[in-house]
Amino acid sequence: DAKTTQPTSMDCAEGRAANLPCNHSTISGNEYVYWYRQIHSQGPQYIIHGLKNNETNEMASLIITEDRKSSTLILPHATLRDTAVYYCIVGGSNYKLTFGKGTLLTVNP
Amino acid sequence: NAGVMQNPRHLVRRRGQEARLRCSPMKGHSHVYWYRQLPEEGLKFMVYLQKENIIDESGMPKERFSAEFPKEGPSILRIQQVVRGDSAAYFCASSSLAGGSKTGELFFGEGSRLTVL
Repeated sequence: DAKTTQPTSMDCAEGRAANLPCNHSTISGNEYVYWYRQIHSQGPQYIIHGLKNNETNEMASLIITEDRKSSTLILPHATLRDTAVYYCIVGGSNYKLTFGKGTLLTVNP
Repeated sequence: NAGVMQNPRHLVRRRGQEARLRCSPMKGHSHVYWYRQLPEEGLKFMVYLQKENIIDESGMPKERFSAEFPKEGPSILRIQQVVRGDSAAYFCASSSLAGGSKTGELFFGEGSRLTVL
């Protein structure tokens, strides 16, 4: 599976959009981009996934560049409860996931 | 509408003892997955099971680890003769669609934290 690179940490003001970048330059044609988050001491929570097209659900939007080498997760109106580690994972299987270090997003009041 | 239930939440074992971790999937889910999160590392896939079948155990250590998902009852991850390096958080997930379907999201439990003294 392709490797991903994410910033170690980011800050966001409450109510503003949080844009979390992810680089996956070695992604192959049949690999999806998955985003999960993990709030301290809890199990991971699925957010969204996509292949080529941009995706949106009730939690977030996923923007994938045309060359698929990078993507951005957007939380449109961040709240304090969105403070968590966000993982960008690339793979051909929705279960054979290897979580990296992720990005610690801190939402500030 | 209970989510994925794992127990025990915390387990302490001495070296050489056995650890048994249990996972009850969400109602209606027949696909179960186990992951391990070592200290300061990310989660890594261990094994995928359906009822009475191991579908993919490519992430399981070759020795001392086994998993089952019987027809009745929870899935069990068993670690025999535990060593200090087995200290980790073990997460279970379940899904309604088959693993690898690309569209099935996984629902994770709260994890079981094993400490080996």
